[in-house]
Amino acid sequence: NAGVTQTPKFRVLKTGQSMTLLCAQDMNHEYMYWYRQDPGMGLRLIHYSVGEGTTAKGEVPDGYNVSRLKKQNFLLGLESAAPSQTSVYFCASSRTSGGPRLYEQYFGPGTRLTVT
Amino acid sequence: AQKVTQAQTEISVVEKEDVTLDCVYETRDTTYYLFWYKQPPSGELVFLIRRNSFDEQNEISGRYSWNFQKSTSSFNFTITASQVVDSAVYFCALRVQYAGTYKYIFGTGTRLKVLA
Repeated sequence: NAGVTQTPKFRVLKTGQSMTLLCAQDMNHEYMYWYRQDPGMGLRLIHYSVGEGTTAKGEVPDGYNVSRLKKQNFLLGLESAAPSQTSVYFCASSRTSGGPRLYEQYFGPGTRLTVT
Repeated sequence: AQKVTQAQTEISVVEKEDVTLDCVYETRDTTYYLFWYKQPPSGELVFLIRRNSFDEQNEISGRYSWNFQKSTSSFNFTITASQVVDSAVYFCALRVQYAGTYKYIFGTGTRLKVLA
């Protein structure tokens, strides 16, 4: 049981390049989330998904796209990276029914992205 | 507005001192959940506690304790006899209704430094 994994752990991009961050969870959670963490700003929600095939915008969605083709995977894409997207990205998942850890978010280890 | 305020940006204490981290929240929901997460220097986010809005009992777990007061919209976290390993950034979070589903709102975090 690996929990939530993220690929890659580190990446450096040049302005205008594209990339995809992969998040995978093996806990059969319905909900998945992408956050970015910037100094002094806590975690801000980029996009989220309430189930396979569904996605929705969070608080800071501009410049990002997401897809959830399989329940266990949640992809975050940057089509044309900008220096303002330099951040640490966290993926999380949560269960929404039953069990002792209801609504707890399980976080991946994070991806540190630098855009130059 | 729905938000979480952690007014203490950084706290430094000497080992074995007690320290309280403050969390004040705002929500229009009558049912909600509050959380505390720890982010040690290694960067991962570690779940500490979940509390629902109907349960105002204080909770103690070893050296950690939490005081939830709906009357003041606060969910404070106390570490007794702090240790160097407690040095981390601590986030308070609130789960609220959002766009027909739910989202989590994080505070900006409190960095705790425990000095030997």
